[in-house]
Amino acid sequence: QQQVKQSPQSLIVQKGGISIINCAYENTAFDYFPWYQQFPGKGPALLIAIRPDVSEKKEGRFTISFNKSAKQFSLHIMDSQPGDSATYFCAADMGGGNKLTFGTGTQLKVEL
Amino acid sequence: DGGITQSPKYLFRKEGQNVTLSCEQNLNHDAMYWYRQDPGQGLRLIYYSQIVNDFQKGDIAEGYSVSREKKESFPLTVTSAQKNPTAFYLCASSSQTGINSPLHFGNGTRLTVT
Repeated sequence: QQQVKQSPQSLIVQKGGISIINCAYENTAFDYFPWYQQFPGKGPALLIAIRPDVSEKKEGRFTISFNKSAKQFSLHIMDSQPGDSATYFCAADMGGGNKLTFGTGTQLKVEL
Repeated sequence: DGGITQSPKYLFRKEGQNVTLSCEQNLNHDAMYWYRQDPGQGLRLIYYSQIVNDFQKGDIAEGYSVSREKKESFPLTVTSAQKNPTAFYLCASSSQTGINSPLHFGNGTRLTVT
Protein backbone atom coordinates (compact mmCIF):
# COMPACT_ATOMS: atom_id res chain seq x y z
CA GLN A 1 0.00 0.00 0.00
CA GLN A 2 1.25 3.45 -0.81
CA GLN A 3 2.27 5.27 2.35
CA VAL A 4 3.58 8.59 3.47
CA LYS A 5 5.12 8.50 6.95
CA GLN A 6 5.11 11.75 8.90
CA SER A 7 6.93 12.75 12.07
CA PRO A 8 6.76 13.98 14.73
CA GLN A 9 3.15 13.47 15.78
CA SER A 10 3.29 16.64 17.86
CA LEU A 11 5.71 19.51 18.21
CA ILE A 12 6.11 22.42 20.61
CA VAL A 13 8.26 25.35 19.50
CA GLN A 14 9.00 28.67 21.12
CA LYS A 15 7.96 31.83 19.33
CA GLY A 16 10.65 32.83 16.86
CA GLY A 17 12.04 29.32 16.61
CA ILE A 18 12.19 26.96 13.64
CA SER A 19 9.56 24.24 13.28
CA ILE A 20 10.60 21.19 11.28
CA ILE A 21 8.24 18.42 10.16
CA ASN A 22 9.49 15.42 8.22
CA CYS A 23 7.88 13.03 5.76
CA ALA A 24 9.10 9.93 3.97
CA TYR A 25 7.53 8.07 1.10
CA GLU A 26 8.01 4.70 -0.56
CA ASN A 27 6.52 4.96 -4.03
CA THR A 28 9.01 6.51 -6.44
CA ALA A 29 6.13 7.23 -8.84
CA PHE A 30 4.99 10.10 -6.60
CA ASP A 31 5.67 13.36 -8.41
CA TYR A 32 3.89 16.04 -6.40
CA PHE A 33 4.29 16.78 -2.69
CA PRO A 34 1.96 19.34 -1.08
CA TRP A 35 1.65 20.42 2.52
CA TYR A 36 -1.74 21.28 3.99
CA GLN A 37 -2.43 23.34 7.12
CA GLN A 38 -5.49 22.72 9.27
CA PHE A 39 -6.79 24.92 12.10
CA PRO A 40 -9.12 23.43 14.74
CA GLY A 41 -12.65 22.95 13.47
CA LYS A 42 -11.68 23.82 9.89
CA GLY A 43 -10.82 21.94 6.76
CA PRO A 44 -7.19 21.75 5.59
CA ALA A 45 -5.86 24.35 3.17
CA LEU A 46 -2.93 24.11 0.77
CA LEU A 47 0.15 25.77 2.25
CA ILE A 48 2.98 25.02 -0.18
CA ALA A 49 3.89 22.29 -2.66
CA ILE A 50 6.95 20.97 -4.49
CA ARG A 51 7.79 18.73 -7.43
CA PRO A 52 10.83 16.41 -7.38
CA ASP A 53 12.73 18.36 -10.03
CA VAL A 54 13.74 20.94 -7.41
CA SER A 55 15.38 20.43 -4.01
CA GLU A 56 13.87 23.40 -2.22
CA LYS A 57 10.91 25.75 -2.47
CA LYS A 58 10.39 28.79 -0.29
CA GLU A 59 7.27 30.89 0.23
CA GLY A 60 7.66 33.51 2.93
CA ARG A 61 8.52 31.80 6.21
CA PHE A 62 7.66 28.34 4.84
CA THR A 63 10.22 26.17 3.03
CA ILE A 64 9.98 22.66 1.64
CA SER A 65 13.23 20.71 1.39
CA PHE A 66 13.17 17.67 -0.90
CA ASN A 67 15.66 14.80 -1.01
CA LYS A 68 14.78 12.55 -3.94
CA SER A 69 17.46 9.93 -3.30
CA ALA A 70 16.37 9.50 0.32
CA LYS A 71 12.68 9.73 -0.60
CA GLN A 72 12.16 12.34 2.09
CA PHE A 73 10.79 15.85 2.25
CA SER A 74 10.34 18.29 5.08
CA LEU A 75 8.57 21.51 5.99
CA HIS A 76 10.51 24.25 7.76
CA ILE A 77 8.66 27.13 9.39
CA MET A 78 11.06 29.95 10.15
CA ASP A 79 10.36 32.52 12.88
CA SER A 80 7.43 30.43 14.11
CA GLN A 81 4.47 32.44 15.44
CA PRO A 82 1.55 31.50 17.72
CA GLY A 83 -0.71 31.91 14.69
CA ASP A 84 1.14 29.00 13.05
CA SER A 85 -0.28 26.65 15.71
CA ALA A 86 -2.20 24.12 13.65
CA THR A 87 -2.05 20.58 12.33
CA TYR A 88 0.15 20.08 9.29
CA PHE A 89 -0.26 17.26 6.78
CA CYS A 90 2.20 16.24 4.13
CA ALA A 91 0.84 14.45 1.10
CA ALA A 92 1.93 12.86 -2.16
CA ASP A 93 0.35 12.32 -5.55
CA MET A 94 1.32 10.85 -8.88
CA GLY A 95 0.25 11.51 -12.43
CA GLY A 96 -1.79 14.59 -11.60
CA GLY A 97 -4.77 12.53 -10.57
CA ASN A 98 -5.28 14.50 -7.38
CA LYS A 99 -5.81 11.33 -5.35
CA LEU A 100 -3.58 12.48 -2.53
CA THR A 101 -2.02 10.09 -0.03
CA PHE A 102 -1.76 11.98 3.23
CA GLY A 103 0.62 11.62 6.15
CA THR A 104 -0.79 11.17 9.65
CA GLY A 105 -0.39 14.83 10.61
CA THR A 106 1.72 16.88 13.02
CA GLN A 107 0.10 19.02 15.67
CA LEU A 108 2.24 22.14 16.06
CA LYS A 109 1.99 24.45 19.05
CA VAL A 110 4.00 27.67 19.09
CA GLU A 111 4.38 29.05 22.59
CA LEU A 112 5.05 32.64 23.60
CA ASP B 1 -17.69 34.15 -1.61
CA GLY B 2 -16.95 30.88 -3.37
CA GLY B 3 -16.44 27.84 -1.26
CA ILE B 4 -17.58 24.46 -0.01
CA THR B 5 -20.43 24.12 2.44
CA GLN B 6 -20.80 21.04 4.58
CA SER B 7 -23.81 20.56 6.76
CA PRO B 8 -24.51 19.96 9.50
CA LYS B 9 -21.36 20.69 11.53
CA TYR B 10 -22.27 18.06 14.13
CA LEU B 11 -24.44 14.98 13.55
CA PHE B 12 -25.56 12.33 16.00
CA ARG B 13 -27.12 9.01 15.03
CA LYS B 14 -28.02 5.72 16.60
CA GLU B 15 -26.21 2.60 15.48
CA GLY B 16 -27.98 0.85 12.62
CA GLN B 17 -29.26 4.02 10.98
CA ASN B 18 -28.09 5.36 7.65
CA VAL B 19 -27.10 9.02 7.60
CA THR B 20 -26.40 11.41 4.72
CA LEU B 21 -23.82 14.19 4.90
CA SER B 22 -24.30 17.18 2.65
CA CYS B 23 -21.60 18.83 0.52
CA GLU B 24 -22.27 21.77 -1.81
CA GLN B 25 -19.73 23.83 -3.77
CA ASN B 26 -20.07 27.04 -5.79
CA LEU B 27 -16.52 27.04 -7.15
CA ASN B 28 -17.60 25.52 -10.47
CA HIS B 29 -15.14 22.68 -9.85
CA ASP B 30 -15.49 19.45 -11.77
CA ALA B 31 -13.95 17.11 -9.19
CA MET B 32 -15.22 16.43 -5.68
CA TYR B 33 -13.92 14.18 -2.93
CA TRP B 34 -14.85 12.76 0.46
CA TYR B 35 -12.19 12.16 3.09
CA ARG B 36 -12.42 10.70 6.55
CA GLN B 37 -10.18 12.07 9.31
CA ASP B 38 -9.39 10.07 12.44
CA PRO B 39 -6.87 11.02 15.16
CA GLY B 40 -3.40 9.73 14.28
CA GLN B 41 -4.48 8.44 10.85
CA GLY B 42 -4.48 11.50 8.68
CA LEU B 43 -7.00 11.86 5.88
CA ARG B 44 -8.20 8.81 4.00
CA LEU B 45 -10.07 8.97 0.68
CA ILE B 46 -13.56 7.47 0.70
CA TYR B 47 -14.97 8.35 -2.75
CA TYR B 48 -14.23 10.83 -5.49
CA SER B 49 -16.01 12.11 -8.57
CA GLN B 50 -14.39 13.75 -11.57
CA ILE B 51 -17.60 14.50 -13.46
CA VAL B 52 -21.36 14.49 -12.96
CA ASN B 53 -22.96 11.04 -12.86
CA ASP B 54 -19.61 9.32 -12.34
CA PHE B 55 -17.68 8.43 -9.19
CA GLN B 56 -14.97 6.02 -8.05
CA LYS B 57 -14.14 4.26 -4.82
CA GLY B 58 -11.24 5.52 -2.78
CA ASP B 59 -9.19 3.59 -0.26
CA ILE B 60 -11.92 3.03 2.35
CA ALA B 61 -15.24 2.95 0.45
CA GLU B 62 -16.79 -0.01 2.27
CA GLY B 63 -19.94 1.00 4.13
CA TYR B 64 -20.31 4.30 2.26
CA SER B 65 -22.22 5.41 -0.83
CA VAL B 66 -22.31 8.63 -2.87
CA SER B 67 -24.16 10.24 -5.74
CA ARG B 68 -23.24 13.04 -8.14
CA GLU B 69 -26.41 14.17 -9.87
CA LYS B 70 -25.38 17.82 -9.99
CA LYS B 71 -22.00 19.45 -10.42
CA GLU B 72 -22.47 21.42 -7.22
CA SER B 73 -23.46 18.57 -4.94
CA PHE B 74 -21.76 15.38 -3.73
CA PRO B 75 -23.66 13.86 -0.76
CA LEU B 76 -22.15 11.01 1.25
CA THR B 77 -24.30 8.33 2.89
CA VAL B 78 -22.83 6.45 5.81
CA THR B 79 -24.67 3.16 5.91
CA SER B 80 -25.25 0.79 8.78
CA ALA B 81 -22.64 -1.50 7.16
CA GLN B 82 -19.84 0.92 8.13
CA LYS B 83 -18.35 -0.71 11.22
CA ASN B 84 -16.77 2.37 12.76
CA PRO B 85 -18.63 5.42 11.44
CA THR B 86 -17.77 7.92 14.20
CA ALA B 87 -15.29 10.33 12.60
CA PHE B 88 -14.71 13.78 11.13
CA TYR B 89 -15.75 13.85 7.46
CA LEU B 90 -14.28 16.33 5.01
CA CYS B 91 -15.54 17.17 1.55
CA ALA B 92 -13.22 18.75 -1.01
CA SER B 93 -13.25 19.92 -4.60
CA SER B 94 -10.68 20.74 -7.24
CA SER B 95 -10.61 22.21 -10.70
CA GLN B 96 -9.75 19.79 -13.46
CA THR B 97 -8.35 22.46 -15.71
CA GLY B 98 -4.81 21.83 -14.53
CA ILE B 99 -2.99 18.90 -13.03
CA ASN B 100 -2.36 18.89 -9.30
CA SER B 101 -4.85 21.69 -8.78
CA PRO B 102 -5.25 22.35 -5.04
CA LEU B 103 -7.94 20.66 -3.03
CA HIS B 104 -10.42 23.10 -1.48
CA PHE B 105 -11.90 21.64 1.69
CA GLY B 106 -15.11 22.37 3.56
CA ASN B 107 -15.11 22.76 7.33
CA GLY B 108 -16.23 19.21 7.92
CA THR B 109 -19.02 17.31 9.62
CA ARG B 110 -18.32 15.51 12.87
CA LEU B 111 -20.46 12.38 12.98
CA THR B 112 -21.03 10.52 16.24
CA VAL B 113 -22.79 7.16 16.19
CA THR B 114 -23.81 5.57 19.48
